Amino acid sequence: GEDVEQSLFLSVREGDSSVINCTYTDSSSTYLYWYKQEPGAGLQLLTYIFSNMDMKQDQRLTVLLNKKDKHLSLRIADTQTGDSAIYFCAESYNQAGTALIFGKGTTLSVSS
Amino acid sequence: NAGVTQTPKFQVLKTGQSMTLQCAQDMNHEYMSWYRQDPGMGLRLIHYSVGAGITDQGEVPNGYNVSRSTTEDFPLRLLSAAPSQTSVYFCASSPALAKNIQYFGAGTRLSVL
Repeated sequence: GEDVEQSLFLSVREGDSSVINCTYTDSSSTYLYWYKQEPGAGLQLLTYIFSNMDMKQDQRLTVLLNKKDKHLSLRIADTQTGDSAIYFCAESYNQAGTALIFGKGTTLSVSS
Repeated sequence: NAGVTQTPKFQVLKTGQSMTLQCAQDMNHEYMSWYRQDPGMGLRLIHYSVGAGITDQGEVPNGYNVSRSTTEDFPLRLLSAAPSQTSVYFCASSPALAKNIQYFGAGTRLSVL
């Protein structure tokens, strides 16, 4: 079945760039997503990319998609302490993009 | 706008008890979903609904029932709670014109003893 894999931890210094990586298995996924979860809170959609795109940029966030390798990455430029959170990669397995499979999450720790 | 509202925030049950987790959204979204999040895991889809009167199973539906009698509400029922259902439950909704943009509630933390 579908599976999404992420590294569990990433530690960076304030002002550096962070890159969080994800691999997925379902090549027919319509959309791929990055969600952010702060302690005790629900998930917040950060950004998503349609499967026919290679890259999407949104302010400090850059998403890269390599469909051949089924690899998705999220780059956060000028990482701030407020970016400390758990970041989840997710792929959709229905056409509408509403049924999602999530990775286990990458905990990003930003030190000042 | 309240967005997606989940109640209760916390609940403790004994094995075998039943309860309903409530989810309501005031955004007139057609799509609604229930997920569970276990420690060290990503979210797993339990059930989802593409509109009033229509529901479907997700990845881990066993032990849970849902119904969608109105657009606003999507309750999740545990008929006979088991310790394996101890988890944090999240409800999400999305509009028809942007089905893939899901808004999440703050979650319900459930412990089954």
